[in-house]
Amino acid sequence: RKEVEQDPGPFNVPEGATVAFNCTYSNSASQSFFWYRQDCRKEPKLLMSVYSSGNEDGRFTAQLNRASQYISLLIRDSKLSDSATYLCVGLTGNQFYFGTGTSLTVIP
Amino acid sequence: EPEVTQTPSHQVTQMGQEVILRCVPISNHLYFYWYRQILGQKVEFLVSFYNNEISEKSEIFDDQFSVERPDGSNFTLKIRSTKLEDSAMYFCASSEVSYEQYFGPGTRLTVT
Repeated sequence: RKEVEQDPGPFNVPEGATVAFNCTYSNSASQSFFWYRQDCRKEPKLLMSVYSSGNEDGRFTAQLNRASQYISLLIRDSKLSDSATYLCVGLTGNQFYFGTGTSLTVIP
Repeated sequence: EPEVTQTPSHQVTQMGQEVILRCVPISNHLYFYWYRQILGQKVEFLVSFYNNEISEKSEIFDDQFSVERPDGSNFTLKIRSTKLEDSAMYFCASSEVSYEQYFGPGTRLTVT
């Protein structure tokens, strides 16, 4: 059973486009969620935590839907520098579960 | 900006040897973690450490693995008797109580 599942993509979008990623989780007891980005052969970098009320950081908006057990990430006005793999992460107890990641390529 | 550091960046070892991977977490963080990422696969949780003891470990973290915080700054992962399948990138991370983790650049372990 996969704790956290993501569509691996790849998503190829033109510069300026809006793109949305979804992630589902299987354990309703999971208490916190996060989005990270990972560039090729680099460490994951925290993008944002995800709150039920929804939270926004510049061009990025994250949302948690506990009833449907999914998390979303919306990127507006995508830039070339947004090209990366986006990782959905859930915390259950004291253990973190990473999704396999969704690959995004922003095309000029 | 404070950051997590890891040494070495690349470690090559022979099967059956012991390796110690080192990490210096961000100084005011309280929680420390080790993860591994086999090439092309997802990041996998190994262990979390708080208040000088393991707070959680995954099924991967068996008896060949151990962690230690030998002083106020270092956090180490020891792998006894390495196997070929231990070849992976090992990431250390640290966090405050918010659980927002900051990762180090990783140590690439190659077991031959």
